[in-house]
Amino acid sequence: EIVLTQSPGTLSLSPGERATLSCRASQSVDNSYLAWYQQQPGQAPRLLIYGASSRATGIPDRFSGSGSGTDFALTISRLEPEDFAMYYCHHYGTSPALTFGGGTKVEIK
Amino acid sequence: QVQLVQSGAEVKKPGASMRVSCEASGYTFTNYGIHWVRQDPGQRLEWMGWINAGNGDTEYSQKFQGRVTITRDPSASTAYMELRSLRSEDTAVYYCAKTISVVTGHYSYMDVWGTGTRVTVS
Repeated sequence: EIVLTQSPGTLSLSPGERATLSCRASQSVDNSYLAWYQQQPGQAPRLLIYGASSRATGIPDRFSGSGSGTDFALTISRLEPEDFAMYYCHHYGTSPALTFGGGTKVEIK
Repeated sequence: QVQLVQSGAEVKKPGASMRVSCEASGYTFTNYGIHWVRQDPGQRLEWMGWINAGNGDTEYSQKFQGRVTITRDPSASTAYMELRSLRSEDTAVYYCAKTISVVTGHYSYMDVWGTGTRVTVS
């Protein structure tokens, strides 16, 4: 199965700053079958990005996804207070099991 | 709006079984699939399996094969996940999540997540 490694584990930033989160796959991800989710404490994950770069319905355009092959990124152009949360990447392509990265916590500096 | 409402928290003894329900509303249940994902106390997410809510086809993670069964009742727009032979490592929050289609089988991301069910095995 494809292993996803997210970095950094924790990102300490201030509101208004730019955040760049990385997700590296152990082998090439077919057809960019890569999604990103945001999770607030005590809540279920929420879909942000699918197909590596397509924003889900209702997601603000300050969120953007990029990458292909084995290297992917989620960028938040200007952090709003509600963006401080956990973020997970997710591979849903042609591998026996769907897998998730270990997560990146974006915290207030 | 699309909603997935799950059954309540459970406490189980080691060796017991658990069954979590996931009631869907706001869309045509049989046109999509349902994934089951769990989140352990360390916040790691783990895919367990999937069901095509239309025809009942399933796929399971090899890790849980033989211990998990996912079913659905179209008349109730509800999916179920049963996990047997519970051990302490199964303590987690269990989520159901809707797929965006059934065309690609279980190779689909999750566009709407359920409310979550906390299960404690102790």
